[in-house]
Amino acid sequence: GESVGLHLPTLSVQEGDNSIINCAYSNSASDYFIWYKQESGKGPQFIIDIRSNMDKRQGQRVTVLLNKTVKHLSLQIAATQPGDSAVYFCAENNNAGNMLTFGGGTRLMVKP
Amino acid sequence: DTEVTQTPKHLVMGMTNKKSLKCEQHMGHRAMYWYKQKAKKPPELMFVYSYEKLSINESVPSRFSPECPNSSLLNLHLHALQPEDSALYLCASSQRTGVTDTQYFGPGTRLTVL
Repeated sequence: GESVGLHLPTLSVQEGDNSIINCAYSNSASDYFIWYKQESGKGPQFIIDIRSNMDKRQGQRVTVLLNKTVKHLSLQIAATQPGDSAVYFCAENNNAGNMLTFGGGTRLMVKP
Repeated sequence: DTEVTQTPKHLVMGMTNKKSLKCEQHMGHRAMYWYKQKAKKPPELMFVYSYEKLSINESVPSRFSPECPNSSLLNLHLHALQPEDSALYLCASSQRTGVTDTQYFGPGTRLTVL
């Protein structure tokens, strides 16, 4: 079946550097994408979303880029901080019964 | 306010026990969800309630029984669980806005089955 996946299971960055987390999706009909952050012992926390009619959306220190041609999604975190250390999931809303399809997750580790 | 609350935070139960997980949201959301998450894995959908009616059951064993008493509450009744059911159980809710429907998650209940 179709799924959303990630290229890198673990990303280690220096504090203050920018981080880029990538996600590949296979359902070309997907219309809405979400990035979640999950810290240890907590539930996934909504970070930012993007619709398929956009290719970029910015939040506070975070930017999501969508490339529909290659079915690729990325999350950019500017000036990464220790509090950004977590597992990041991309998710696709296929709008069929409100189902989210999650990618495998990337662990971001921030070195002081 | 995007808060979804879950109780208890931790639960340890034997295979013959009956217990319940509870979830509550006061955001006026009309869809609520149960997910199961194993360590180092993404959440897996179990059930979806839409307007207080069960709309999706992802082939979950009958030892898990969901209940939606009203639009703000969601329960998951547990009976005769197996050790492999040990996991983080997450509740989520959403507004049912169509394409841009965003799910907001609670902190989860960490379940251990002995």
